[in-house]
Amino acid sequence: DAKTTQPNSMESNEEEPVHLPCNHSTISGTDYIHWYRQLPSQGPEYVIHGLTSNVNNRMASLAIAEDRKSSTLILHRATLRDAAVYYCILRDGYRDDKIIFGKGTRLHILP
Amino acid sequence: EAQVTQNPRYLITVTGKKLTVTCSQNMNHEYMSWYRQDPGLGLRQIYYSMNVEVTDKGDVPEGYKVSRKEKRNFPLILESPSPNQTSLYFCASSLNWAGNQPQHFGDGTRLSIL
Repeated sequence: DAKTTQPNSMESNEEEPVHLPCNHSTISGTDYIHWYRQLPSQGPEYVIHGLTSNVNNRMASLAIAEDRKSSTLILHRATLRDAAVYYCILRDGYRDDKIIFGKGTRLHILP
Repeated sequence: EAQVTQNPRYLITVTGKKLTVTCSQNMNHEYMSWYRQDPGLGLRQIYYSMNVEVTDKGDVPEGYKVSRKEKRNFPLILESPSPNQTSLYFCASSLNWAGNQPQHFGDGTRLSIL
C-alpha cells in the first residue's frame, strides 16, 4: 500500500498558484518527501524533495508540516504545461527499500 | 546529455516468447529500478538494484527477472510473457540508494503481450 495519500484530481486556473496536498501520517524520521510529475506520454520527472524544512527550486516549492505528516507542493503560477499527474512519495534516507508510488493527483489547468 | 535510455520503445509479441527490455544510463548511477504503470494502479516497482550484482524485489516482481552485471545497464527479462504483463514500463536511476537522491526516468516501453 502507498505510504502517501493524495486527492485523485484537482483543477486550477492558468496563472494562479496551485497547492497540491499530500498526507503521509506514518512517515518515519528518516524519510525524505519527494515529488514527481508525469506529463502526458512521458516518463515521470523529478520536481523537488525535502526532509524537514521548506524547499524552493526553479520548478516549485515544497512546504512540509511541522509534524511532517503532510506536505504541499506549490506551483507559484500554473501554466497549461503544468497539467500532469503529480506523485508524492517517501524515500528512506538511511536504508534501501522498495519505492512505493501511489496513484498521484491529476492536475487540470483551465485556460 | 544525461539520460536513461530504454529499448525498445514499443513491442507487440506473443505469450511465452522470451523478451528483454534494455535500460542504460550514462550518469554513473549506482541505483537503478524498473516500474510498470497500469491504468488506475499508478507506478509499481518491479525490481531495483543498489549496485552491480545487487538486486532486490520491489512490489510486483512475479514473472520478471533482472540482472546487473555492469553499472550502466539493467535489463528487464520476461522469460515467458503473459497477457497480464501488458503494460507501460519505466526504468529509472539515481546516484545511489540514499533517500535524498532524485530518480531520473526513461521515456518508457510499451509492451503488448497477445
